[in-house]
Amino acid sequence: AQSVSQHNHHVILSEAASLELGCNYSYGGTVNLFWYVQYPGQHLQLLLKYFSGDPLVKGIKGFEAEFIKSKFSFNLRKPSVQWSDTAEYFCAVNGYNNNDMRFGAGTRLTVKP
Amino acid sequence: EAGVTQSPTHLIKTRGQQATLRCSPISGHTSVYWYQQALGLGLQFLLWYDEGEERNRGNFPPRFSGRQFPNYSSELNVNALELEDSALYLCASSPGLGDAEEQQYFGPGTRLTVT
Repeated sequence: AQSVSQHNHHVILSEAASLELGCNYSYGGTVNLFWYVQYPGQHLQLLLKYFSGDPLVKGIKGFEAEFIKSKFSFNLRKPSVQWSDTAEYFCAVNGYNNNDMRFGAGTRLTVKP
Repeated sequence: EAGVTQSPTHLIKTRGQQATLRCSPISGHTSVYWYQQALGLGLQFLLWYDEGEERNRGNFPPRFSGRQFPNYSSELNVNALELEDSALYLCASSPGLGDAEEQQYFGPGTRLTVT
């Protein structure tokens, strides 16, 4: 089965700083990749997803992620974070045929105003 | 459109008891997933149901079980509760079987506390 690792447990940034959250996965076949976000007191919601095509994926709220197949990575980026981006971010991978979503441990992002 | 709903919001049980958690998917969704979100461990995949059948399960002991009803709602049962079962249990739904490109839509969770 696939697995996901997120390198940063807690990231603290000031507003307007650039963000990159690392995500690496382990899976031998074709994958679908996701970033979910959980804002304080809210449900998990989808930020963006990749399943084919352009490896640079743009999501909501100015987030983007790049799939680098050779590195088994799907890092999340945002050029300039805002206080409202404070949340927990989860990378997830779903094997192409097994619909068995595996999540990373999550990265808590705190943005200082 | 109503989202995924879960009940109860909070559940407090003592060690050795059984807990039953319920989930209603988004209307039209046939797949239901259960996850355990324990502190510091992220989301751990528990179970996937579709069309009333268990399609996959994660690395959890058999005392974690569940079922899906004809209306696609689902319940998760945890028998012989242990202290380490204390966690937030999330339910998610997606439109259908085998479409791994589909995102999952999450409910608010049930906070289970075992004392």
